[in-house]
Amino acid sequence: AQSVTQLGSHVSVSEGALVLLRCNYSSSVPPYLFWYVQYPNQGLQLLLKYTTGATLVKGINGFEAEFKKSETSFHLTKPSAHMSDAAEYFCAVNMDTGRRALTFGSGTRLQVQP
Amino acid sequence: EAGVTQFPSHSVIEKGQTVTLRCDPISGHDNLYWYRRVMGKEIKFLLHFVKESKQDESGMPNNRFLAERTGGTYSTLKVQPAELEDSGVYFCASSQNMDGNSPLHFGNGTRLTVT
Repeated sequence: AQSVTQLGSHVSVSEGALVLLRCNYSSSVPPYLFWYVQYPNQGLQLLLKYTTGATLVKGINGFEAEFKKSETSFHLTKPSAHMSDAAEYFCAVNMDTGRRALTFGSGTRLQVQP
Repeated sequence: EAGVTQFPSHSVIEKGQTVTLRCDPISGHDNLYWYRRVMGKEIKFLLHFVKESKQDESGMPNNRFLAERTGGTYSTLKVQPAELEDSGVYFCASSQNMDGNSPLHFGNGTRLTVT
């Protein structure tokens, strides 16, 4: 079975500081990995995804994530936080075994302080 | 293109009543999914349609939940009778392809409160 763990349900950073949101997964086969973001009163929006190839993936709004197989991690980073980054972030995994369902983590709410 | 739309955005009902949620996927997207987030926990898969057929309904919690997608366009999710633990945010998503790396396009969700 696949599972996703997001460490820290709430993360607070200062504007301009590094953003690091942690995601660890368990999967019996190489997974597809995703980060989604939910802004207030909106649906989930895809930030970035890892399928195959380069392990450092760049997404929208300056975010990037690195797939580390040995650590079973897919942490999300952004060098400099902006006020508009305040949102809830979800890590998700799909093992593409024919079952299309994504398995999500419990989410991390990012607060950006001025 | 219009995104995934869900109606209503909020619904408050009493225990034992019936509620029907609607999802209109992006035009041309054969794959439609329902997910649910209960009490700030993880978002959990409910079911997956390919056109009008249920491809995977392994996440449906019990037989009080009924999902339909007649004609392969919009979908409805009916909860009858509703229980307190059904409260949460119900998300609909659609995708054009079924391969595992295709992103899902999500609606804004329906917040259901059962009192």
